[in-house]
Parts: sequence; structure tokens; C-alpha cells
Amino acid sequence: AQKVTQAQTEISVVEKEDVTLDCVYETRDTTYYLFWYKQPPSGELVFLIRRNSFDEQNEISGRYSWNFQKSTSSFNFTITASQVVDSAVYFCALGPLSGNTPLVFGKGTRLSVIA
Amino acid sequence: DTAVSQTPKYLVTQMGNDKSIKCEQNLGHDTMYWYKQDSKKFLKIMFSYNNKELIINETVPNRFSPKSPDKAHLNLHINSLELGDSAVYFCASSQPGGIHEQYFGPGTRLTVT
Repeated sequence: AQKVTQAQTEISVVEKEDVTLDCVYETRDTTYYLFWYKQPPSGELVFLIRRNSFDEQNEISGRYSWNFQKSTSSFNFTITASQVVDSAVYFCALGPLSGNTPLVFGKGTRLSVIA
Repeated sequence: DTAVSQTPKYLVTQMGNDKSIKCEQNLGHDTMYWYKQDSKKFLKIMFSYNNKELIINETVPNRFSPKSPDKAHLNLHINSLELGDSAVYFCASSQPGGIHEQYFGPGTRLTVT
């Protein structure tokens, strides 16, 4: 069975602090994709990144970086020098490669960045 | 240019009524989805259509009936609304398969009183 666990329900940081959002997944597939989505207070869901299981290179995009470690089944998301606009609920998701199986979402981590 | 649009954005109705939510995407995607997000922000897949054909039907009451007139549209009709149906409903689209990112509509907040 596919499962995504985001153990941190809520995180609160002060602006300019770095923060890491954890994501641990379970799958029996050898090939799969992992995603992060952001849901700001306005409510829309915004795609942030997709990473396939055979590419373990870390990725950096501005203040955002992602650390994929297959050995620990984790795909963690770090925001450097956090800003108030980063306040949102962040979802990690697992996408099996095969067939029409849909994305499996974690329960989300609510990040509050305080000025 | 809105990629995935939903109407209405807000829907307030009484128990027992029937209502519909419409979704359209202009991304040329073959696959569309309906998700329900409850008050705890948990996102749950309800349905998925690929090129107008139903491919995923999770455990959803049969009061919920999706309809896809063409691959750019996926509507959700709900009969005999109940209090527990209150949630935000998101439409999404993607290319087929779980390897592709999904693009979400803005959501429809349904409140059943």
C-alpha cells in the first residue's frame, strides 16, 4: 500500500529562520514520483516540485531545497530564510508509476512564519 | 489564462438539495480528478477520468455522480446533500499516470446547512 506521512502537523518559525518539512513515504514500487504542493491561506493548491525515484540529487530553487533520500524513504523540504509569504499548508504526495493510480497525499504541515 | 477553473467558488445550500460543481481545464490534459478536502485539510481523491472514461471511483456515496462531457470538462453532481458533505472540493487535471504533476482548480467551498 502507498502511504505518505507528514509527522509535523504545525510548525511555527520566526521570519528569516530556516525550516525543514519532513515527508516519509511507503511504497512497494521500485519506480515512483514524489511531489510537494503548497496551499496558501487563499486556498489554491500550487505545484512546487516533482522528483522521480531514480534521481537522488538534491534540488534547489531559490530559497527552496529538497532532500530526497531513498534509503530512508524521505523527501524533505527546506525553506531558507523563511518569509511571511511562506505561511501555508504544505503537502507531500507520492505518485506510483503504474497505471492510473492517483497521487497519495500526506495530511499536510501547516507552516506559520511570524514577522 | 486560467488553467483549471471551477464554478462556483462558494456554494451554500440546505440539506436535501441537489447541486452541481463545474470544472474546466484548458491545459490539453487527458486526465481529470475530483478531490474532497475536509476541515482538517486532508485531501482525498474521489474520482478520476481519463479521456472521458471513469478510471478511479473511490469509496464515495452514490449521491455523488461525476460527468465528463469531453476531456476538458469534469462536473460533479451531488444529490440529497448532507451536512457531512460540507468541504472544499478541488478539481485537478494532469497527463495520464501518477508520474505527472496535477494542476488544481481554485476549489469550491460547499457549505450544507
